Amino acid sequence: GENVEQHPSTLSVQEGDSAVIKCTYSDSASNYFPWYKQELGKRPQLIIDIRSNVGEKKDQRIAVTLNKTAKHFSLHITETQPEDSAVYFCAARWNDYKLSFGAGTTVTVRA
Amino acid sequence: NAGVTQTPKFQVLKTGQSMTLQCAQDMNHEYMSWYRQDPGMGLRLIHYSVGAGITDQGEVPNGYNVSRSTTEDFPLRLLSAAPSQTSVYFCASKLGGKINEQFFGPGTRLTVL
Repeated sequence: GENVEQHPSTLSVQEGDSAVIKCTYSDSASNYFPWYKQELGKRPQLIIDIRSNVGEKKDQRIAVTLNKTAKHFSLHITETQPEDSAVYFCAARWNDYKLSFGAGTTVTVRA
Repeated sequence: NAGVTQTPKFQVLKTGQSMTLQCAQDMNHEYMSWYRQDPGMGLRLIHYSVGAGITDQGEVPNGYNVSRSTTEDFPLRLLSAAPSQTSVYFCASKLGGKINEQFFGPGTRLTVL
């Protein structure tokens, strides 16, 4: 199976600053790495994903980087806004169907 | 499309009671799965199905049963509820194939007393 570790568990940033969340995975066969955002009391929703044949992907203020050699991937949020406050989960897929999730990072953006 | 739906939204059970959490999707997705979410532990896979009539165990299957008689529905049964099963349960679905977005239902918050 796959083991995904996520750090930090909590992150507090000033509005306008950047936030970075890091994850490591154990199975070199993993080939798909999504990031989910979960607001309080809501379902997880996909915000960005990256495939193993790509090193970086960007979508407006969010970006994800992947280092296959080191088996780690990161989420970067720039120019943070209060609506970015949520729990963020990384995940790794190591077959066609099974996703293994990190434990989550609670991000608080201070106004 | 309603997407992935779950019922009930909230449920309180007594230890030893049984119940079924319902999950349905109207996107003709082949793959469906059940996760439980506990504080500080992320989402853990309970059971999954790759198509009607096919189910398999995830990371934490003990105490739960599933069946998949149709493409649309994937109910999760708690056989004899225990306080350790207090959690938020999410159903999810995706198209078949290697790399596709997984869609989550709204969740069921279960408390076992």
